[in-house]
Amino acid sequence: EVQLVQSGGEVKKSGESLKISCKVSGYSFTSYWIGWVRQRPGKGLEWMGIIYPIDSETRYSPSFQGQVIISADKSINTAYLQWNRLKASDTAMYYCVRPVGNSNGWYWGQGTLVTVSS
Amino acid sequence: SYELIQPPSVSVSPGQTARIICSADALSTQNAFWYQQKPGQVPVLLIYRDTERPSGIPERFSGSSSGTTVTLTISGVRAEDEADYYCQSADSSGTLVVFGGGTKLTVL
Repeated sequence: EVQLVQSGGEVKKSGESLKISCKVSGYSFTSYWIGWVRQRPGKGLEWMGIIYPIDSETRYSPSFQGQVIISADKSINTAYLQWNRLKASDTAMYYCVRPVGNSNGWYWGQGTLVTVSS
Repeated sequence: SYELIQPPSVSVSPGQTARIICSADALSTQNAFWYQQKPGQVPVLLIYRDTERPSGIPERFSGSSSGTTVTLTISGVRAEDEADYYCQSADSSGTLVVFGGGTKLTVL
C-alpha cells in the first residue's frame, strides 16, 4: 500500500527556518516524483513544485521559486520542504503528493499545518 | 501567469444537477482532473483524464471536455456533496501544474 506520511504541525515565528518532511512507503521512492501543494487558510490549492528523487532534479512553480527549497533523501525515502526565513504569509497547510501512474491522479499525504506568527 | 478559471460558487437544490465549468486555453491539449475537498479534509480525486472516474467514486460524478472547457457534472446532488471543488491541469508545455481557484458547491 502506497503511503505518504507527513511530519507534524509546526508553530514558528517570522524569520525562523523550518523543514517539513514527507516519508513514503509501499513503492520504490525513486520511481515517481514528489510534489508539494500549499493551501492557505480558507483559500484554494496552489502548486509549489516537484522533485525527482532519482537525481534530485527540482522544478518550482514561478510563484515559489526562491521562496522554498524542495529536497529528498533516497536513503530514508523522504522528501522535504524547507524555508530559510519564514513569513507570516507562509501560514498554511502543506500537502505532499505522488502521481498514480501516468495521468491517473495523485496520492496525497495527510498534510502538515505550518503556523507562523509575526 | 497561466490560470484555470472556475466560478467561485454554485448553488443547487437536492436532487438537481450541478455543473461546474473550468476554462483555460491549454485544456484543449492537457488532461484535466477534478478534486472534492470538504472542510478539514484532504482533497479527493473525483475525475482524471477529463472523464475517467476512480473506483469508489459514485456514478453521479462525471466529467466532460469540449475544446478549452471541462465540466464536472454532479447528478442527483445530495447534501453530502456540499464541498469545494477544484479543477487541475497543466500549462501547454505540460511542465507547470495549475489549479483552478475552486468552486464552493452549496446544496440549498
